[in-house]
Amino acid sequence: DTEVTQTPKHLVMGMTNKKSLKCEQHMGHRAMYWYKQKAKKPPELMFVYSYEKLSINESVPSRFSPECPNSSLLNLHLHALQPEDSALYLCASSRFAVRETQYFGPGTRLLVL
Amino acid sequence: SQELEQSPQSLIVQEGKNLTINCTSSKTLYGLYWYKQKYGEGLIFLMMLQKGGEEKSHEKITAKLDEKKQQSSLHITASQPSHAGIYLCGAVLNAGGTSYGKLTFGQGTILTVHP
Repeated sequence: DTEVTQTPKHLVMGMTNKKSLKCEQHMGHRAMYWYKQKAKKPPELMFVYSYEKLSINESVPSRFSPECPNSSLLNLHLHALQPEDSALYLCASSRFAVRETQYFGPGTRLLVL
Repeated sequence: SQELEQSPQSLIVQEGKNLTINCTSSKTLYGLYWYKQKYGEGLIFLMMLQKGGEEKSHEKITAKLDEKKQQSSLHITASQPSHAGIYLCGAVLNAGGTSYGKLTFGQGTILTVHP
């Protein structure tokens, strides 16, 4: 089983709202990732967690706050977003963070009004 | 310029035709991954290649890695409408350090297969 689940599937939020995206995997993977994908563009890495510790932050604005409560869960907390943050947010996981296949979830389509 | 260049950007073929998508890196490859994506959905893992000269096949899709040329190709034989989607190559372009785990993607190839 190579399933990564993400909730919600769709999210509409105002610029003053606080919301969270959730990602879950039960494959025993120790690395988890957040990507952002704009329309007609490839995914861009935002964060990498390895053994529940943040190992890469690709200079993402502080209005995006990741959290890894345990090895199976990854959250992305959103606060004071801008309309340009509207995108598909993809979560992925891999056995380890080094040269391992990353398995992606179905994504959360975010619209910021 | 892009670190991973995919060609062509889009491809329209008739069902039953063969096709090839290329992915060329400007840096040494430490692993090359092929994914397929339907618009607005997640990425589906197809194949991973790590060694020069490596070739893998799954159903009607074959991927090859030419490490010397820092290039990979994805070949679909006897295409079907179910093959339609966006094909993305992804690669680890750095050996380690602060970049480990970072997957860089090509711009994608949009494949349309007409019945």
